[in-house]
Amino acid sequence: DAGVIQSPRHEVTEMGQEVTLRCKPISGHDYLFWYRQTMMRGLELLIYFNNNVPIDDSGMPEDRFSAKMPNASFSTLKIQPSEPRDSAVYFCASSLKGVWNTEAFFGQGTRLTVV
Amino acid sequence: DAKTTQPNSMESNEEEPVHLPCNHSTISGTDYIHWYRQLPSQGPEYVIHGLTSNVNNRMASLAIAEDRKSSTLILHRATLRDAAVYYCILRDISTDKLIFGTGTRLQVFP
Repeated sequence: DAGVIQSPRHEVTEMGQEVTLRCKPISGHDYLFWYRQTMMRGLELLIYFNNNVPIDDSGMPEDRFSAKMPNASFSTLKIQPSEPRDSAVYFCASSLKGVWNTEAFFGQGTRLTVV
Repeated sequence: DAKTTQPNSMESNEEEPVHLPCNHSTISGTDYIHWYRQLPSQGPEYVIHGLTSNVNNRMASLAIAEDRKSSTLILHRATLRDAAVYYCILRDISTDKLIFGTGTRLQVFP
């Protein structure tokens, strides 16, 4: 398996534009997680899904952020409208079962720059 | 979520053993101890996890104190490639979340 695949790897956009980040989890994994990493706040869990259903979105910073998982092999994180403070590296991760007794696999991340 | 405390940074020389400590005095009986690391410009990667007994795998060893209030990740022979931020995380079986703290930045010198 190619691992967790995120696209694009880099995104530069202007403030106010819509941004869509994409993630393909490892086949057969039940859980999918979206994280954001900045120097100031470190790695923050934004939302996670179990069997395509959002379980906990308490980490989503505000209504400008939304995430979907239309099927087991694809998820998107959308920011609309984007702001400069959204600049960060966004990671997607997947795991086979609950992460309490198994490992999570992370993608390479999408570096988002909002100017 | 139970909290962990790690030193901000540590240094090691290549081919020497490294012991990365983690304190988790509020750990509950159902918390698993997980370690992940993040190499520069990469996503986090799993290292090891355990509940009560010491654990070994090809990457590292995990030594868990008898009272479980602390643990130590052991890299037996550090290489330059082991330079990374190491995160100690507690996960309860009642939740599926993986919450990262600030971690320990390990520098390895030739």
